[in-house]
Amino acid sequence: QVQLQESGPGLVKPSQTLSLTCTVSGASISSGNDYWTWIRQPAGKGLEWIGRIYSSGSTNYNPSLKSRVTVSGDTSKNQFSLKLSSVTAADTAVYFCARGVTLVPGILSFDSWGHGALVTVSS
Amino acid sequence: DIQMTQSPSSLSASIGDRVTITCRASQSISSYLNWYQQKPGKAPKLLIFAASNLQSGVPSRFSGSGSGTDFTLTISSLQPEDFATYYCQQSYNNPLFGGGTKVEIK
Repeated sequence: QVQLQESGPGLVKPSQTLSLTCTVSGASISSGNDYWTWIRQPAGKGLEWIGRIYSSGSTNYNPSLKSRVTVSGDTSKNQFSLKLSSVTAADTAVYFCARGVTLVPGILSFDSWGHGALVTVSS
Repeated sequence: DIQMTQSPSSLSASIGDRVTITCRASQSISSYLNWYQQKPGKAPKLLIFAASNLQSGVPSRFSGSGSGTDFTLTISSLQPEDFATYYCQQSYNNPLFGGGTKVEIK
């Protein structure tokens, strides 16, 4: 059973960089055909895909956030991380890490999720 | 860019009711459509993948249909544990979620 757990500061000052780590157990981020993904959800709002890293190390980002986002992996710790720079109050949200899988070839869905980490941007 | 529109945004229903939620894409996405259930304070849970495939462990009262631009999630007989918010998600290109449908107790 795949388990994911987010960790990182719950409070970030405006203009600084938000950093979160997702620790994965039950699967390897460096093998298989899985996409290790970050998704966020502002309070009372919907879900927004942020970006992902594939087992090969290749990455893709939401165009609306691309200039500020970096997703990276640490295979020695089986973790992947999110960095979001120049944050504002609009980046306040619950941040989820998730595993993307292709249960049907080519069709990506998110079958395992972390519990979520609330990050507040405030001075 | 593909837009995903869910309707209704909220609905009230009673235990045992048949509930239908619709998701419409702004262009054809074939069957690149998934459905999730989210309860307050929890992560979303995958219900249906590739438009009509039931995820392992999900009760059979949940079903999905559609292809192209119009998709439906149906709960055949609403149970107390089904009161939640439901999201569609397209994976035709970069993942994008619909705005959600909140199912409330009538």
